[in-house]
Amino acid sequence: DTEVTQTPKHLVMGMTNKKSLKCEQHMGHRAMYWYKQKAKKPPELMFVYSYEKLSINESVPSRFSPECPNSSLLNLHLHALQPEDSALYLCASSQGQAVSYEQYFGPGTRLTVT
Amino acid sequence: AQSVAQPEDQVNVAEGNPLTVKCTYSVSGNPYLFWYVQYPNRGLQFLLKYITGDNLVKGSYGFEAEFNKSQTSFHLKKPSALVSDSALYFCAVRGALSYNTDKLIFGTGTRLQVFP
Repeated sequence: DTEVTQTPKHLVMGMTNKKSLKCEQHMGHRAMYWYKQKAKKPPELMFVYSYEKLSINESVPSRFSPECPNSSLLNLHLHALQPEDSALYLCASSQGQAVSYEQYFGPGTRLTVT
Repeated sequence: AQSVAQPEDQVNVAEGNPLTVKCTYSVSGNPYLFWYVQYPNRGLQFLLKYITGDNLVKGSYGFEAEFNKSQTSFHLKKPSALVSDSALYFCAVRGALSYNTDKLIFGTGTRLQVFP
């Protein structure tokens, strides 16, 4: 199984809502990533987990809160978002955090903040 | 600082013709270089990578890339384009030299349009 799954596919939320994005992989990968991608732009790294510990936080606002409950799951908790946070949120995983390992991406969650 | 540049926003090619998508890089130390492809409303898919070894790297779907150290380039190529190759292509380079700050730095992307 070389698939990374993400739910939901689409999410519309108000600025006062709390929601969560979920990501799952069953490839035995030990590194997992959250990226944010705006239309026609490259992905921007948000967070990296390595062996279930937060390894990199790219100065992301606290309204985004990542969680790695186990080696297969990665969540992104959302609270009090702004309209400019509307984007495609991509999850990825790789065998390890070293960049020599290629990353496998999920299809993304299209988030709209109203 | 590590960086990667994709000088063309869009490349147009007729089906059956060879295609080239350009990428140049700037790194200190050994370059780790990658190509990813993104189809509409989808995540990125890994195509190929150069870490070390042969300068010509072969990847998925008939794509290949040539690492050229003197020109600091890593252009993506395919001998015969297919309409289904139409997508957004990203070149990426390793962004740091230490383990716990390793990350990919992506180029701005090149949209490949293959016409029938």
